[in-house]
Amino acid sequence: GENVEQHPSTLSVQEGDSAVIKCTYSDSASNYFPWYKQELGKRPQLIIDIRSNVGEKKDQRIAVTLNKTAKHFSLHITETQPEDSAVYFCAATSSVRSARQLTFGSGTQLTVLP
Amino acid sequence: DTGVSQDPRHKITKRGQNVTFRCDPISEHNRLYWYRQTLGQGPEFLTYFQNEAQLEKSRLLSDRFSAERPKGSFSTLEIQRTEQGDSAMYLCASSLVGGGANEQFFGPGTRLTVL
Repeated sequence: GENVEQHPSTLSVQEGDSAVIKCTYSDSASNYFPWYKQELGKRPQLIIDIRSNVGEKKDQRIAVTLNKTAKHFSLHITETQPEDSAVYFCAATSSVRSARQLTFGSGTQLTVLP
Repeated sequence: DTGVSQDPRHKITKRGQNVTFRCDPISEHNRLYWYRQTLGQGPEFLTYFQNEAQLEKSRLLSDRFSAERPKGSFSTLEIQRTEQGDSAMYLCASSLVGGGANEQFFGPGTRLTVL
C-alpha cells in the first residue's frame, strides 16, 4: 500500500518568512496530492492540491510542487502570518484505486512567531 | 451549514460499552469515508461507501466496528465493546466522484474517550 512520509514534524518561522514542508510517497500509481490545514480542535481543511499531470500549482501565498520521478511533493507558504499557525498534512491517493482513500503524512506543526 | 456534519462531537464512555456515531455528508456527494485520527498523527482510513454500498474496509477496522449507510445519505459507525485503544478522533469525509474529482471534505469529527 501507499506510504507517505512528511518532514519536518515541527517548524517555527518568523512572521513574513517562508515555510516549506516536504513529503515523499511510495506508490508510483498515486496521482492526486492534497494538502490539509488543521487548526487545534477543528476539521482538516483542504488548502491546495495538485494532480500528477502538473509540476506546480499556486494560490496566492501557497504553492505546491510535485516531482513524480523522485516521488516527492512540497508545500511552500510565503509571507507567513500568525494565522498560518496550524498542523499541515500532506496526503496521496490514486484514481486507479477503487476506494481513492487518502493516505496521510504524520503532519507538521507550523508556528509563525509574531 | 452545507458542509459535512458529525454527531456527537464528543463522547466519553466506559470500556466495554457500545457507541454509535453519525455522519451527514454534503448532499449529492456519493462517496463517504471514515477515518480515525490519534493525537499527533494524520487521519487513517477505516472504510468507505459509494452510495449505500460499503466497498472497502481497512485492516484497522476490527470486527467490533461496523458502519452503515442505509439510504446512501447519512452514515453510522458503531463500535462494540469499546477498548481504551479506541480513544481517538473519528472523522467522516465525503466526496463527489466523477470528472476526475478527488477532493474530500471533512467533518468536525467525533472525539471518543474510553475510560
